[in-house]
Amino acid sequence: NAGVTQTPKFRILKIGQSMTLQCTQDMNHNYMYWYRQDPGMGLKLIYYSVGAGITDKGEVPNGYNVSRSTTEDFPLRLELAAPSQTSVYFCASSEGTEAFFGQGTRLTVV
Amino acid sequence: GQNIDQPTEMTATEGAIVQINCTYQTSGFNGLFWYQQHAGEAPTFLSYNVLDGLEEKGRFSSFLSRSKGYSYLLLKELQMKDSASYLCAVRAGSNYQLIWGAGTKLIIKP
Repeated sequence: NAGVTQTPKFRILKIGQSMTLQCTQDMNHNYMYWYRQDPGMGLKLIYYSVGAGITDKGEVPNGYNVSRSTTEDFPLRLELAAPSQTSVYFCASSEGTEAFFGQGTRLTVV
Repeated sequence: GQNIDQPTEMTATEGAIVQINCTYQTSGFNGLFWYQQHAGEAPTFLSYNVLDGLEEKGRFSSFLSRSKGYSYLLLKELQMKDSASYLCAVRAGSNYQLIWGAGTKLIIKP
């Protein structure tokens, strides 16, 4: 029973590099989310999706892009990494009430 | 604006009871959630309140007053493993987005 799987768990990027954070869920949930969590802060919504082919911006979308070609996958793309994107990133999925989270990706941009 | 307030940190003794408060001001209300997050881990779901009153689940209970914009999480018979951050989140609209508080770090002492 995998739930929500995120890869990688850790990554160090240089300024200006690009990367994709992968997220997949096996619960057939329509709703998926990407959050970032800075130290001592709550979760900030980056992007979300209400179903395959549908995505929308959250509170802090600048510098990120997403796609949702299938129900299972919701990758997050960073095009030009900046130090301000150093954070812990969580993917989550939901079908109404409880949200299930992946284990997180700790990203450092140097 | 949308705002959720929780105390930053609380300390309690093993075996005791602790109450973590959460106040919110949001444009709309469609449920309040409590999540537990151990250091370096993903949040995990604890409780959900959409109607006024108390929801009990084992050692944990959650209370909601919609007219006061107020909730609390009550933890009884505290154990060392309850040392974690407790996040309050409100679903304010119909698109299943959550607004998150910064979390309350609970420290349990022997």
